[in-house]
Amino acid sequence: SYELTQPPSVSVSPGQTARITCSGDALSKQYTYWYQQKPGQAPMVVIYKDIERPSGIPERFSGSSSGTSATLTINGVQAEDEADYYCQSADSGATWVFGGGTKLTVL
Amino acid sequence: EVQLVESGGGLVQPGGSLRLSCAASGFTFSSYAMSWVRQAPGKGLEWVSSINYSGGTTYHADSVKGRFTISRDNSKNTLYLQMNSLRAEDTAIYYCSYSYGSGAFDIWGQGTMVTVSS
Repeated sequence: SYELTQPPSVSVSPGQTARITCSGDALSKQYTYWYQQKPGQAPMVVIYKDIERPSGIPERFSGSSSGTSATLTINGVQAEDEADYYCQSADSGATWVFGGGTKLTVL
Repeated sequence: EVQLVESGGGLVQPGGSLRLSCAASGFTFSSYAMSWVRQAPGKGLEWVSSINYSGGTTYHADSVKGRFTISRDNSKNTLYLQMNSLRAEDTAIYYCSYSYGSGAFDIWGQGTMVTVSS
C-alpha cells in the first residue's frame, strides 16, 4: 500500500484563498477525492474525480491534479469552511487510502 | 431518503469479538458496493473494508486482514463487519459508506463507536 501526504494545518483569513495539497505516487494514475469533516459529523465529499463538484457544494470549492499531486482550492474562504479536509485515492483494485487530513483554520 | 444506520458498537476486551451492522434504506442496496471506514479518536480516516454488490468479492486493509470480515445480506439490506481478535488500536468510530456514482464515498452513516479496552 502507499501513502497520501497532506499538510497538517492550513490557516487563512476570511475571504482569502486556501489551498490544501495531497501528494502520492499513485495520484498520477488514480483519481483524487476530497472530503470535508466538521466536528462530530461524518465526512462529506466536496470534490470527486479530481475536479468534479457534487451538487450542493459551493462553487468556491475546486480541485486540480497534476502528476503525483492534487490540490483542493477554496476561494473566498468563509468561517463555515473551517473543518478537517481529507484526500482519498484508490490503492489497487477496490482498496482505498486516505491522506492524514488537514485542519483548515479560518482566522 | 437515503439512509445508513450503523449499530453494534460498544466496549470489548482485547482479543474479543464484535459484529457491526449497517442498515440501508432509500436505495437499491443490492446494486451497490459498500465499505467500512474508521476513525480513531482525534485521528484521521482509515479505509477498512469493501464488498461488491453481490458479496462475492471483498477487500480488507492490511491492518485488519485475517481479523475482520465484511459481508452483506441483500435480502435484509444490511452490511456487516465481523471483528475478531480486537486490539486497542481498533478503537474508533466505524462508518459504513457507499458511492452512488461519483466514485467517492457519497453517503455515510452516523457511525458506531467501538472501544477495545480492559
